[in-house]
Amino acid sequence: ELKVEQNPLFLSMQEGKNYTIYCNYSTTSDRLYWYRQDPGKSLESLFVLLSNGAVKQEGRLMASLDTKARLSTLHITAAVHDLSATYFCAANNNAGNMLTFGGGTRLMVKP
Amino acid sequence: GAGVSQTPSNKVTEKGKYVELRCDPISGHTALYWYRQSLGQGPEFLIYFQGTGAADDSGLPNDRFFAVRPEGSVSTLKIQRTERGDSAVYLCASSQDRSYEQYFGPGTRLTVT
Repeated sequence: ELKVEQNPLFLSMQEGKNYTIYCNYSTTSDRLYWYRQDPGKSLESLFVLLSNGAVKQEGRLMASLDTKARLSTLHITAAVHDLSATYFCAANNNAGNMLTFGGGTRLMVKP
Repeated sequence: GAGVSQTPSNKVTEKGKYVELRCDPISGHTALYWYRQSLGQGPEFLIYFQGTGAADDSGLPNDRFFAVRPEGSVSTLKIQRTERGDSAVYLCASSQDRSYEQYFGPGTRLTVT
């Protein structure tokens, strides 16, 4: 059974600081997703990582994937208040259908 | 183009009642998924449709939950004899095919009193 764990679950940081969110998954998966969720809203797709060593960047966010370690990271550079949200990683099973989500990381960026 | 839409956005019902939640996927998307998100948690998979058929319903918690997609487009999630523990946000997602990225709808917030 595929399990996905994120840490930390809660992150409070100052504007301008850097930090990394970690996502571990328990069995092989052929793709890893990162989503953002604002309070009361649905999930917004940020990144899809397809292969070992994949790195994608969008603005102040950068995601990477190490399939051997079954680890993905979401790195935040010079955080700004607008990044405050909950971030989820998810892995799919090898049949390519259902996503298994981590518990989420609630990020608060303080001015 | 139009994204995934879900109706109603909010549903309040009494314990024991029957509810239906509707999902309109992105046009042309053959794969459709239902997830349930409880407060403070990540979404949990319920059921996956490829076309009209339920390809994987392993996430449905019990036989009170049922979903259909009769024409391969709109799907309805049906919950019988609702319980307070069914209160959650029910999310629908669709994708071009099962291996493609899933796009999520805004969700239906179900509250069972």
